[in-house]
Amino acid sequence: DIQMTQSPSFLSASVGDRVTINCKASQNINKYLNWYQQKLGEAPKLLIYNTNNLQTGIPSRFSGSGSGTDYTLTISSLQPEDVATYFCLQHSSRPRTFGGGTKLELK
Amino acid sequence: EVQLVESGGSLVQPGGSLKLSCVASGFTFSNYWMDWVRQTPGKSLEWIGEINTDGSKTNYAPSIKDRFTISRDNAKSTLYLQMSNVKSDDTAIYYCTRPRYRYNFFDYWGQGVMVTVSS
Repeated sequence: DIQMTQSPSFLSASVGDRVTINCKASQNINKYLNWYQQKLGEAPKLLIYNTNNLQTGIPSRFSGSGSGTDYTLTISSLQPEDVATYFCLQHSSRPRTFGGGTKLELK
Repeated sequence: EVQLVESGGSLVQPGGSLKLSCVASGFTFSNYWMDWVRQTPGKSLEWIGEINTDGSKTNYAPSIKDRFTISRDNAKSTLYLQMSNVKSDDTAIYYCTRPRYRYNFFDYWGQGVMVTVSS
């Protein structure tokens, strides 16, 4: 199974900050990497698929990049409504596996 | 609008059984593979199993294989998860998910249902 190592596990930032979250795969996943946002008490919601494709309706301050084993989610200017836990998912091979999550809070 | 609505979660004793249901609407259910994903109290997410469009093929994570069974009723647009011989490690929120068409990732999620395994 492909292991996904996500960092940091916890992040505190101020409104307007640029925020980056990383995921590292245990092997090349060929850009088959998604990012999900989960707010308290809700199901995960798809933000970005296949590394850098923004899901419909997601604000453009969210972006993704990466290749091979290393991937990044960037929030260009943090907003209060972005407080959530973020997960990466590799769907390069089965079983699909998730990162451990990054809890993002406001400073 | 795609909707997935799970039900059946509850408190169950170790070694017991439980059946979860997921009613789908807003899309042609019989055209999609479907998956179950669970989230532990520590917030880790784990894919646990999938079923093909006509229910003839299933795949399971090792952690639940031979204890859980996924099935579906396309006439009722309903997905099921039969849980048997449950353990404390099975305590989690269980999500029914639908993949994006022709992709391997989870696109739509239900609201989740809580299963607690405890004596």
